[in-house]
Amino acid sequence: KNQVEQSPQSLIILEGKNCTLQCNYTVSPFSNLRWYKQDTGRGPVSLTIMTFSENTKSNGRYTATLDADTKQSSLHITASQLSDSASYICVVSARRGQNFVFGPGTRLSVLP
Amino acid sequence: DARVTQTPRHKVTEMGQEVTMRCQPILGHNTVFWYRQTMMQGLELLAYFRNRAPLDDSGMPKDRFSAEMPDATLATLKIQPSEPRDSAVYFCASDQRYSYNEQFFGPGTRLTVL
Repeated sequence: KNQVEQSPQSLIILEGKNCTLQCNYTVSPFSNLRWYKQDTGRGPVSLTIMTFSENTKSNGRYTATLDADTKQSSLHITASQLSDSASYICVVSARRGQNFVFGPGTRLSVLP
Repeated sequence: DARVTQTPRHKVTEMGQEVTMRCQPILGHNTVFWYRQTMMQGLELLAYFRNRAPLDDSGMPKDRFSAEMPDATLATLKIQPSEPRDSAVYFCASDQRYSYNEQFFGPGTRLTVL
């Protein structure tokens, strides 16, 4: 069964600190993996999209990594800001197309 | 700036009533998605269209849900009759043809069925 798991479920950090969110998947055959940021009450916003041939991709202070062999991805946030407080959702596409499997998300709270 | 718009933003209705949600995708995007988000289930893909043709609606309860694209600027999701378990936030998203393109989400319609 195609599944996406994320850890931790929630995380609290102080402003300025770094953090790493994890995503493990069993989706096959793998097409691409996306990380989204979702602020409370808003729609998700795309952070990164990676195919199987990409190991890392950055978007400002966000850096995503992908290990297609172990079927793991991480999202690293550098020098966190209060505005980083949000849910971060990992989404894996099972084939070339739009068959998406969503993770449950990690709720990040950045405190001053 | 280009963005996906959805109406209404909030809808409260009684069980058994018909609900219609509307979405205007970004101009030039030919793929439109409907998602549902609840606390229990998270985000789920209900259906998607490419060039106005339905490609996959396997995530949608067909007995009460229907999705259409009357034209390239309008997508609709209809629930008839609505049930309390349909209470959720419904998102529309759009992107261009290729699967590696970024999807742009609308602000969502928060539906409450009493």
